[in-house]
Amino acid sequence: SAVISQKPSRDICQRGTSLTIQCQVDSQVTMMFWYRQQPGQSLTLIATANQGSEATYESGFVIDKFPISRPNLTFSTLTVSNMSPEDSSIYLCSVVPQETQYFGPGTRLLVL
Amino acid sequence: QKEVEQNSGPLSVPEGAIASLNCTYSDRGSQSFFWYRQYSGKSPELIMSIYSNGDKEDGRFTAQLNKASQYVSLLIRDSQPSDSATYLCAVVLTGANSKLTFGKGITLSVRP
Repeated sequence: SAVISQKPSRDICQRGTSLTIQCQVDSQVTMMFWYRQQPGQSLTLIATANQGSEATYESGFVIDKFPISRPNLTFSTLTVSNMSPEDSSIYLCSVVPQETQYFGPGTRLLVL
Repeated sequence: QKEVEQNSGPLSVPEGAIASLNCTYSDRGSQSFFWYRQYSGKSPELIMSIYSNGDKEDGRFTAQLNKASQYVSLLIRDSQPSDSATYLCAVVLTGANSKLTFGKGITLSVRP
């Protein structure tokens, strides 16, 4: 398994601002994913972040809105840019150490 | 047709009963299947993975996979109030390289 931490755990932000979420893993992993879970909904994949390459975004998500960094095998950041109330969600990072995907505790974002 | 579908729920069972959760998927080439449990306000927690046709048991949990019929189910025996949570079915679709596609989830309530 993997121990994953995320910062911040929650935040309240004003519309038009940006928030950067950090994800730290206790071991080196190649594959890291960022998900969004809107209130009462299931998880939707935003992008795949592999070290040494550009993030790959899913349909409906773009780099300008959700820039991602992956500077090494234990760390990644997701920025939610120019936020609107529709961005209020839980943002989760996940890793795949050995075929199985584990999730971080999530960042709960409320945009006013 | 959605790629991963779960019964809309919610599902309510009495304590000690068997809870049966079902999931169907559209991609016949899928090879990896997972059940996650998510308590309110928490991130998803992996409880079962299954890759081959048949049953896989782990304590009170049994996952069943039928690739011909494209369904995967989770049975919870001797249900406890602590099993009350949302259960998410997740599938790695063909060529998805560990990316999970989630169903909408079903909320289980175990009545004392």
